[in-house]
Amino acid sequence: EAGVTQFPSHSVIEKGQTVTLRCDPISGHDNLYWYRRVMGKEIKFLLHFVKESKQDESGMPNNRFLAERTGGTYSTLKVQPAELEDSGVYFCASSQLTGGVRGTDTQYFGPGTRLTVL
Amino acid sequence: GENVEQHPSTLSVQEGDSAVIKCTYSDSASNYFPWYKQELGKRPQLIIDIRSNVGEKKDQRIAVTLNKTAKHFSLHITETQPEDSAVYFCAASPVKAAGNKLTFGGGTRVLVKP
Repeated sequence: EAGVTQFPSHSVIEKGQTVTLRCDPISGHDNLYWYRRVMGKEIKFLLHFVKESKQDESGMPNNRFLAERTGGTYSTLKVQPAELEDSGVYFCASSQLTGGVRGTDTQYFGPGTRLTVL
Repeated sequence: GENVEQHPSTLSVQEGDSAVIKCTYSDSASNYFPWYKQELGKRPQLIIDIRSNVGEKKDQRIAVTLNKTAKHFSLHITETQPEDSAVYFCAASPVKAAGNKLTFGGGTRVLVKP
């Protein structure tokens, strides 16, 4: 079974430019999450999709960040315009909840995209 | 919202010794506590998890304990080996029917010295 994949692995852009990150979840996983780790701090939640719908976007920092998951398959996270503080590693994770609230919802992480804004 | 504190931030142990990492959480609604290991340059990988209806869980050299009353949980690694060197993250979440948002601790960098 292929794992979660992310593209690109690294991105270096100038402040004010636009960057789009892509995540391909494990096939069949309805849940897709975006997280971010900034400057060696904790991994922080950004948002959660269930299929193509945004279930929770409470972690999105501001309106410069736009996430989409058209068709409920892969997802993109666009940062426009990028600022210095957006630098960090962006992780995507996917899961398939089974058994309801007493079940399992193991989140499988992708390798991350390291974003550097200069 | 949920807040997870993790200690220590760095841990150096001699090969063969035990390592213990502790986390506390704030939201009593949290009922799922996974631990992830991230080796240098690799993705975070789930190594063990525990649910609030269980007090302890073991998997070979790894064990996790949970104290719901005190809102803390710990990871225990016995007979450490050099390949245990990595950053370990604890997390907490309330499992809902539509998935769970993980709140992570700050991470513990573990170095196992041969």
